[in-house]
Amino acid sequence: KQEVTQIPAALSVPEGENLVLNCSFTDSAIYNLQWFRQDPGKGLTSLLLIQSSQREQTSGRLNASLDKSSGRSTLYIAASQPGDSATYLCAPSDSGGGADGLTFGKGTHLIIQP
Amino acid sequence: DAGITQSPRHKVTETGTPVTLRCHQTENHRYMYWYRQDPGHGLRLIHYSYGVKDTDKGEVSDGYSVSRSKTEDFLLTLESATSSQTSVYFCAISESYRGQGLGNTIYFGEGSWLTVV
Repeated sequence: KQEVTQIPAALSVPEGENLVLNCSFTDSAIYNLQWFRQDPGKGLTSLLLIQSSQREQTSGRLNASLDKSSGRSTLYIAASQPGDSATYLCAPSDSGGGADGLTFGKGTHLIIQP
Repeated sequence: DAGITQSPRHKVTETGTPVTLRCHQTENHRYMYWYRQDPGHGLRLIHYSYGVKDTDKGEVSDGYSVSRSKTEDFLLTLESATSSQTSVYFCAISESYRGQGLGNTIYFGEGSWLTVV
């Protein structure tokens, strides 16, 4: 069974810093991996989707990398802003890429101090 | 934002009563999912649907049933609610399933907070 670990569980940094959030997974036979953001009391919003054949994806100040063989993904946030405060979850998919095959980590709770 | 509406958003019910949560989408996506989110467990899949009247079980399906009579609606039913089913329930939709590299993005609703007392 796929197990997903996210480190750190919580992080508080001043505005403007560059951040790295880590995600590790035990089964490297994944189809893709998604990073999500969840604001308090809200649903999840997909940020980036990396196919297994890709090494990284970028969207604005966000960059996600994937090293499938070592079972690791990182989310890099550049020039952090208070609006980036949220919980970030990673979810590899090991069921042909279908959303039924997503296994979610417990997330990194991020606070950006103004 | 994807057009996903969950109802009710908040509900308190008593142990042993039936409860139905509704998910309505306006995106005409084929695939719909119900998840629950609990502290210490994260998000876990309950059931999913890959078309009208086509459903399958997820990781934590015991005590839950689902129905999908129309593309836009996916219902989650707790036949006899228990305290262990107190949770936040999220509906999600996706355009493709075992995708070919496109359209695997999954969209989530705002959640339904259920308390069983």
